[in-house]
Amino acid sequence: QKEVEQDPGPLSVPEGAIVSLNCTYSNSAFQYFMWYRQYSRKGPELLMYTYSSGNKEDGRFTAQVDKSSKYISLFIRDSQPSDSATYLCAMSANGNNRLAFGKGNQVVVIP
Amino acid sequence: DSGVTQTPKHLITATGQRVTLRCSPRSGDLSVYWYQQSLDQGLQFLIQYYNGEERAKGNILERFSAQQFPDLHSELNLSSLELGDSALYFCASSSGVSGNTIYFGEGSWLTVV
Repeated sequence: QKEVEQDPGPLSVPEGAIVSLNCTYSNSAFQYFMWYRQYSRKGPELLMYTYSSGNKEDGRFTAQVDKSSKYISLFIRDSQPSDSATYLCAMSANGNNRLAFGKGNQVVVIP
Repeated sequence: DSGVTQTPKHLITATGQRVTLRCSPRSGDLSVYWYQQSLDQGLQFLIQYYNGEERAKGNILERFSAQQFPDLHSELNLSSLELGDSALYFCASSSGVSGNTIYFGEGSWLTVV
């Protein structure tokens, strides 16, 4: 079992829809949870950062962490064509210097 | 623009050859990380340097090596290249030793033929 599971299946949504992405993980030591956005042939860009369980909102983006279920989510409200990208979840343990990434979800927002 | 600079952006080389990828971290960042991204494996952590010293090692092959120089730029050396080494190689940096929030460069796209 991989440390971080993220269904890489492409996701196509109409403009204005809510995009829902999620990851599961197996390492209970993970305390820090991130979402990165990656445009084609570009470097990943940090989108959201959460410590431990709970919700965090930033504009149209909401990140949720449920440590009891080892499950994290990212919601994008009022999706725009500019949100079309690959979204990667990442996580790390306290004091650990490496991030464990999911494989990424390709999202396409159709105008 | 994350502030992390990587060169070259693209390179094509033959099997058995050696290449060097270069990274300049964001101004003020002391940690440099190297990641490899391939279609089948996703983003894999290779190695981290902090202020010139190796701090953490991930799935880095023995044919690969890295170093961080006094001016904090870093180089990733890939030798005896194989077709399977074709991938995007990312450098990332952070201010501290802990890698919870790191900022990625644009990557170096390596094709081994």
